[in-house]
Amino acid sequence: GQSLEQPSEVTAVEGAIVQINCTYQTSGFYGLSWYQQHDGGAPTFLSYNGLDGLEETGRFSSFLSRSDSYGYLLLQELQMKDSASYFCAAETGANNLFFGTGTRLTVIP
Amino acid sequence: DTAVSQTPKYLVTQMGNDKSIKCEQNLGHDTMYWYKQDSKKFLKIMFSYNNKELIINETVPNRFSPKSPDKAHLNLHINSLELGDSAVYFCASSQVSGNTIYFGEGSWLTVV
Repeated sequence: GQSLEQPSEVTAVEGAIVQINCTYQTSGFYGLSWYQQHDGGAPTFLSYNGLDGLEETGRFSSFLSRSDSYGYLLLQELQMKDSASYFCAAETGANNLFFGTGTRLTVIP
Repeated sequence: DTAVSQTPKYLVTQMGNDKSIKCEQNLGHDTMYWYKQDSKKFLKIMFSYNNKELIINETVPNRFSPKSPDKAHLNLHINSLELGDSAVYFCASSQVSGNTIYFGEGSWLTVV
């Protein structure tokens, strides 16, 4: 079967750096995406890694290692508004995203 | 302008009823989806349509029937609703070769 495992909850202090890990096991794999979802809202795209290495977009960075079936999302200079759920998602085929279990990030003052 | 819009946003209905959720996207995308998010926030794909043709049909009860009149619309009809169907249903769209999916605001379905 397919699975993407993430920690269920993470708590971090405002201004700090937090890393959310994702390990995957899928039948096909083309890349890893990250989505953010605030309570009551829709998932919104954050980043995509099609190749190994680090992708940086402002305060957010994402990393992929295909050999380790592993990726992470790094959030820097945490703000209160970053409190949300974060999902990794594996692109397992054309137009097919398989989502992870989600990590609820709580940013505290 | 809302990119992916779905209606209704909230729906409370009794077991056994039939209901529909409508979805429209104005992004010019060829591919549309329906995802289900349960109470544990697990987000699972149900269907994927590419230019009105069914591409992905995950293991979903046949009480769920998607209909795509054109590539900008993908509606979801649910027959004989059950308590376990209570969830948030997200419509989404993307380019054919795109890896970014744009989600609607969700339709919160509660079956009582």
